[in-house]
Amino acid sequence: GAGVSQSPSNKVTEKGKDVELRCDPISGHTALYWYRQSLGQGLEFLIYFQGNSAPDKSGLPSDRFSAERTGGSVSTLTIQRTQQEDSAVYLCASSLLRSFNTEAFFGQGTRLTVV
Amino acid sequence: RKEVEQDPGPFNVPEGATVAFNCTYSNSASQSFFWYRQDCRKEPKLLMSVYSSGNEDGRFTAQLNRASQYISLLIRDSKLSDSATYLCVVNDYKLSFGAGTTVTVRA
Repeated sequence: GAGVSQSPSNKVTEKGKDVELRCDPISGHTALYWYRQSLGQGLEFLIYFQGNSAPDKSGLPSDRFSAERTGGSVSTLTIQRTQQEDSAVYLCASSLLRSFNTEAFFGQGTRLTVV
Repeated sequence: RKEVEQDPGPFNVPEGATVAFNCTYSNSASQSFFWYRQDCRKEPKLLMSVYSSGNEDGRFTAQLNRASQYISLLIRDSKLSDSATYLCVVNDYKLSFGAGTTVTVRA
């Protein structure tokens, strides 16, 4: 399809393991966002990529979290040494341009469970 | 102070009722605002943008009050299908989300 694609849709991992979450944005979208949503909570901003600019990493909760965006397209969010509090739905969104009223489209998310 | 704060709800209303709720934002220079809708265990989807002069989309009306730094959403003639969490979003290059207002429409 033409929407934002995230994989895997579900991930169960043991505490202390590393995980990689993938986001394929809509083709041509220059802006890409990662958010985290814990059960019953709002969306917590993690990181923002816009074109070739340096990413805004101000939302990353610790140095165990990192993200890359290769070639201005696919993005990978990596969580090292996972902890139980990392359990959440990780949502990726993309938009065409940083301008007035540009809609952001979300993927269906990766549900991460750390056991 | 959080960047975006919303009425927490929940709002539990009968079909056909009108329900309205607000969202305040902290950055007076913010230019771009949205309402998103999120159904249970689904991703957020755009409901409507919010324009300076206010705007309607069918039964939904959004208003912006820059002086008081809040936006509002009003739903008229509520339908069962309107049951969802409504997220206020401020676009200051990164999208800042409110925690959401839960609306339940009962038969």
